[in-house]
Amino acid sequence: NAGVTQTPKFRILKIGQSMTLQCTQDMNHNYMYWYRQDPGMGLKLIYYSVGAGITDKGEVPNGYNVSRSTTEDFPLRLELAAPSQTSVYFCASSYSTTGQGYTFGSGTRLTVV
Amino acid sequence: AQTVTQSQPEMSVQEAETVTLSCTYDTSESDYYLFWYKQPPSRQMILVIRQEAYKQQNATENRFSVNFQKAAKSFSLKISDSQLGDAAMYFCAYDDYGGSQGNLIFGKGTKLSVKP
Repeated sequence: NAGVTQTPKFRILKIGQSMTLQCTQDMNHNYMYWYRQDPGMGLKLIYYSVGAGITDKGEVPNGYNVSRSTTEDFPLRLELAAPSQTSVYFCASSYSTTGQGYTFGSGTRLTVV
Repeated sequence: AQTVTQSQPEMSVQEAETVTLSCTYDTSESDYYLFWYKQPPSRQMILVIRQEAYKQQNATENRFSVNFQKAAKSFSLKISDSQLGDAAMYFCAYDDYGGSQGNLIFGKGTKLSVKP
């Protein structure tokens, strides 16, 4: 099983550019999440989804958008990139909320210059 | 709101020795889960160990064990017989069982170095 696949692994963006971080899981998980990780700050939730067609904001949603048209895919869109969005982004998924923990993708390191 | 605190930004241990990483959390819930994740330089987040709050018995996974003190809201990770491959960032995380989000709340992490 591939688990959770994130692309790209690295990206450099110029201020004001836009991009989409892709996330796909093949475990038929209902729940999917996007986190950002900044040095010394742990992981903070950006957006999450409890199933296809349903998304909601997390702790730090500003500057981002998501969609969930299928169970497998949960892309994260950055519009008008800013230096504050320089971070490592993780996609994760879980089958339910029964405390099984998450399966994480390998992360995307994004630099906005 | 629930919070997770890791008070040790960095720790160091000699190979083959034992080290304990601290974690405290704040919640008003009685049912929840706690986790320790390992993040090596490869960046991959790896689940190390999981504890269910309603179980008094401390979880163990080979060389990894926890000391779960529910009343004190403390959840420390003990690594025995430390190996060079244990060097990584370690994150403590809280999961509100049955919460609508199923959202993991993370501490800021502890960077563990292992000296040969």
